[in-house]
Amino acid sequence: AAGVIQSPRHLIKEKRETATLKCYPIPRHDTVYWYQQGPGQDPQFLISFYEKMQSDKGSIPDRFSAQQFSDYHSELNMSSLELGDSALYFCASSFSRVEETQYFGPGTRLLVL
Amino acid sequence: AQSVTQLGSHVSVSEGALVLLRCNYSSSVPPYLFWYVQYPNQGLQLLLKYTSAATLVKGINGFEAEFKKSETSFHLTKPSAHMSDAAEYFCAVTNTGTASKLTFGTGTRLQVTL
Repeated sequence: AAGVIQSPRHLIKEKRETATLKCYPIPRHDTVYWYQQGPGQDPQFLISFYEKMQSDKGSIPDRFSAQQFSDYHSELNMSSLELGDSALYFCASSFSRVEETQYFGPGTRLLVL
Repeated sequence: AQSVTQLGSHVSVSEGALVLLRCNYSSSVPPYLFWYVQYPNQGLQLLLKYTSAATLVKGINGFEAEFKKSETSFHLTKPSAHMSDAAEYFCAVTNTGTASKLTFGTGTRLQVTL
């Protein structure tokens, strides 16, 4: 079965640089969620999109922005990167009109030097 | 606001022994509850979920969990641990609205010894 695809899987950036993370949801899924997991931490919700509209916002810094495109893929844009942004970034998708289960991608590991 | 509390950040069991990972929830509305497993350097894999149907939920890899409203608990169990069960386990809660975020517990690392 098709799963959530995230790219890149690993990313190394310098402080103050910009990063773009991409997420391709499971086909037919209408909702995308972004989570950040710091080292030894539980995943923290950042932002979500339902049918290409932002549906909820969590603890996402103003330096970050995201959107969902017409083909339902989503991008998380991170600017002015800080050391503390080093984390595992997960994308999850769901078919919200049918069920609540979120299926997670493998994550993008971001390292800011 | 919804939350889950996982008791015990580390649990160690012998291979073949019972696995019990504890999760208690707090929610002002009927919750949906999930258990996810995370193997080292990997993503989150759904083990099982409770969405107001049967209170005893069976998942993958022999795991099951029972929703107990009176105790606000959703503990994860497996009768016999296997070495391959060693991983981080997260309990999570969401509400019944469309496209609702997951709120995770702090995780329990399960160690399985010979």
